[in-house]
Amino acid sequence: QEQLVQSGGDLVKPGGSLRLSCVASGFSFSDYYMSWIRQAPGKGPEWISYITTSDLTAYADAVRGRFTVFRDNANNSLFLQMNSLGTDDTAMYYCARTWSSLDAFDIWGQGTFVTVSS
Amino acid sequence: EVVLTQSPDTLSLSPGERATLSCRASQDLRNYLTWYQQKPGQAPKLLIYDASNRAAGIPDRYIGSGSGTDFTLTISRLEPEDFAVYYCQQRSNRQITFGQGTRLEI
Repeated sequence: QEQLVQSGGDLVKPGGSLRLSCVASGFSFSDYYMSWIRQAPGKGPEWISYITTSDLTAYADAVRGRFTVFRDNANNSLFLQMNSLGTDDTAMYYCARTWSSLDAFDIWGQGTFVTVSS
Repeated sequence: EVVLTQSPDTLSLSPGERATLSCRASQDLRNYLTWYQQKPGQAPKLLIYDASNRAAGIPDRYIGSGSGTDFTLTISRLEPEDFAVYYCQQRSNRQITFGQGTRLEI
């Protein structure tokens, strides 16, 4: 069964850092682009980053320079390092398997919630 | 950035009725438009890609159509499990955006 299992969400103070993890199983992780998508309470999803099979990365303007995506293919793992967190970063964070065309996200993790508050 | 505007915000229908959801793009997307369904407490689920292709396992009552800037998701006969929030998504110039969603309620 193809699945993504996430961890790492927590309560963090403004200006703090956090690392999210996403472990894949049931498919060949290294063959796929992967993305991070977040969703603030009551809002639509917001794409924030993807990483290609060649470790090329892209970021949304809202997180560029503060967030870093990276992957460990040997351990079927995806990570999101988040620095300089602000209250606007409070959201459910999802990892998702991503088509190389970027047309679609076909497998999603269960989500992990990040709260940024003093 | 391509802006996707979905309408209506909320659609109230009954099981057995037909639902028509709209997604309008600020730029020509050709047919590169994707639809997702999200139920409370769950991640979004892929329904339709390339405007009209159903993802694996999606029932044929889900019909996607449109091209350019105007797209439609039609659910031909609503089942109780279809009541959820629906989002459209695009990728243009390798930047990805989602619509704000349409809530389909009983």
